Amino acid sequence: AQSVTQLDSQVPVFEEAPVELRCNYSSSVSVYLFWYVQYPNQGLQLLLKYLSGSTLVESINGFEAEFNKSQTSFHLRKPSVHISDTAEYFCAVKVPGTALIFGKGTTLSVSS
Amino acid sequence: NAGVMQNPRHLVRRRGQEARLRCSPMKGHSHVYWYRQLPEEGLKFMVYLQKENIIDESGMPKERFSAEFPKEGPSILRIQQVVRGDSAAYFCASSPLDGDANYGYTFGSGTRLTVV
Repeated sequence: AQSVTQLDSQVPVFEEAPVELRCNYSSSVSVYLFWYVQYPNQGLQLLLKYLSGSTLVESINGFEAEFNKSQTSFHLRKPSVHISDTAEYFCAVKVPGTALIFGKGTTLSVSS
Repeated sequence: NAGVMQNPRHLVRRRGQEARLRCSPMKGHSHVYWYRQLPEEGLKFMVYLQKENIIDESGMPKERFSAEFPKEGPSILRIQQVVRGDSAAYFCASSPLDGDANYGYTFGSGTRLTVV
């Protein structure tokens, strides 16, 4: 069975600073990897995904994540965060035919 | 396209009552997934359904919880004889074709169940 570990439960940063949210996964088969974002009192929104091909994937709002097979990681990064990036971020793994499995989430708090 | 619709948004039940949570998937989506979110525990998978079929219910508690996705109408997550520990946010997601991860999942806004 696959699993996801998000190494940091909370990450406080100042506006315009870089940030990295860490995610490691465990699986005996090839997986798809996702990052979702959840704003307060809302559902989850897909941020970006890795299915195959280039190991670096990007979102439209400046986030990127890199799939590292040897380290079984899929860390999320942004070079300069905004106040509006404050949210909870979930890393998830999926094997075709089974449900999406989530990590426990990382709360990103951006302050001025 | 209205997206995944969950209702009610908030539900308050007394201990021992039944809770019914509804989820209408996006148009064209035939796969539905239910997740429960507790503070600091992330989203826990509960059940995966297709129309009239339960595909994977490995995350469902053995008692009091059931789910269905009939041929017509929304998917229903039913919790009988609710207890305080059932208080949580319940999210539904849908996808058009499980084997095609290009679509990922589309999530609803959730139902926040409070048991008093």
